[in-house]
Amino acid sequence: KAGVTQTPRYLIKTRGQQVTLSCSPISGHRSVSWYQQTPGQGLQFLFEYFSETQRNKGNFPGRFSGRQFSNSRSEMNVSTLELGDSALYLCASSWEGTGELFFGEGSRLTVL
Amino acid sequence: GIQVEQSPPDLILQEGANSTLRCNFSDSVNNLQWFHQNPWGQLINLFYIPSGTKQNGRLSATTVATERYSLLYISSSQTTDSGVYFCAVERGRRALTFGSGTRLQVQP
Repeated sequence: KAGVTQTPRYLIKTRGQQVTLSCSPISGHRSVSWYQQTPGQGLQFLFEYFSETQRNKGNFPGRFSGRQFSNSRSEMNVSTLELGDSALYLCASSWEGTGELFFGEGSRLTVL
Repeated sequence: GIQVEQSPPDLILQEGANSTLRCNFSDSVNNLQWFHQNPWGQLINLFYIPSGTKQNGRLSATTVATERYSLLYISSSQTTDSGVYFCAVERGRRALTFGSGTRLQVQP
């Protein structure tokens, strides 16, 4: 059974640009959530989607957005990139949103 | 929100030694997971353990929900056990709150 797949794995952007990250959950999982990991703030929850609906959102500015498609794949977008957005972005999937979460390998974003 | 504290923050062991990592949380939870973050950043599931005791090879974990703590035991440590171990809890919001991690270094 394939795990959670995230693309791209690495990317470099400049300030002011925008970026889109993609996440394919484990087959059969309907919940996808996103987390940001930085050295200063650690791992922080961004948002969670279930059946194409955002059910929960963390404390991040509106520049961070996401969506989920009918096949449960999810994308997150960060607009007007800032240096502080440099981070590892991790996607997780689960059956219903509670219970055990499984993480992908992450997308490492560097903003110059 | 819920607070998660992990101790110790750093741990250096000789290969073959045993260790105990602790996770304290400030409120009741309905989900607790232990992860090992590999050098490439992926969070590897170790245990899903909101209560009780589980064992998987050289690793075991115990969560005492009524006293709001969990322990991860690593026996006969190997160099491949090196990395950062995270405890994460969920309290009905479908969002994990992570501790700051324990960085483990196992020396040959």
